[in-house]
Amino acid sequence: GQQLNQSPQSMFIQEGEDVSMNCTSSSIFNTWLWYKQDPGEGPVLLIALYKAGELTSNGRLTAQFGITRKDSFLNISASIPSDVGIYFCAGQPAGGTSYGKLTFGQGTILTVHP
Amino acid sequence: GAVVSQHPSWVICKSGTSVKIECRSLDFQATTMFWYRQFPKQSLMLMATSNEGSKATYEQGVEKDKFLINHASLTLSTLTVTSAHPEDSSFYICSAIREAFYNEQFFGPGTRLTVL
Repeated sequence: GQQLNQSPQSMFIQEGEDVSMNCTSSSIFNTWLWYKQDPGEGPVLLIALYKAGELTSNGRLTAQFGITRKDSFLNISASIPSDVGIYFCAGQPAGGTSYGKLTFGQGTILTVHP
Repeated sequence: GAVVSQHPSWVICKSGTSVKIECRSLDFQATTMFWYRQFPKQSLMLMATSNEGSKATYEQGVEKDKFLINHASLTLSTLTVTSAHPEDSSFYICSAIREAFYNEQFFGPGTRLTVL
């Protein structure tokens, strides 16, 4: 099935630093989504991207839908301790027949040291 | 808006018993819901697509008779783990698509199942 390669797998940073993570795919995606999951909770949508080249911000978060439609990145600026969690990229492959079905990346575990 | 709830949030059961998990969209209607399971520090693995008024569509390798899904209304889907065994212990998460916003998928808070 579809695979999304998300990197890095984990990050340990100091409070105030900027963070960047990305996802790549061997095939084209129509939609890229970025979620954050806190321990013992369900994922929460951070940013949704619908068009190739689209750059969208949500507070300190910025994400882009790659021009080739095979990749996306998420940046977090000026990290704070509450940014700790697991970040997942997810997408809907082009040409997919399953309504709304998402493919998830492996996740990036973010640790922020005060 | 766009809140999805799950009940229970955690459950402990004995091996061989069945457990039902409910997923509700609280402020919107959802024709389509999804059920995932997640192991510690791993990604979400899609188990099945739950369709209101019709049979669920299961992913390859997921036993239909083991994980029964019922989507009886536009706001409720249930997952029943039948004859649960310790290897079924996991974090089960549902999600729902808000109608007319098919790219927006909202997740429930998850249910932690522990089978003794």
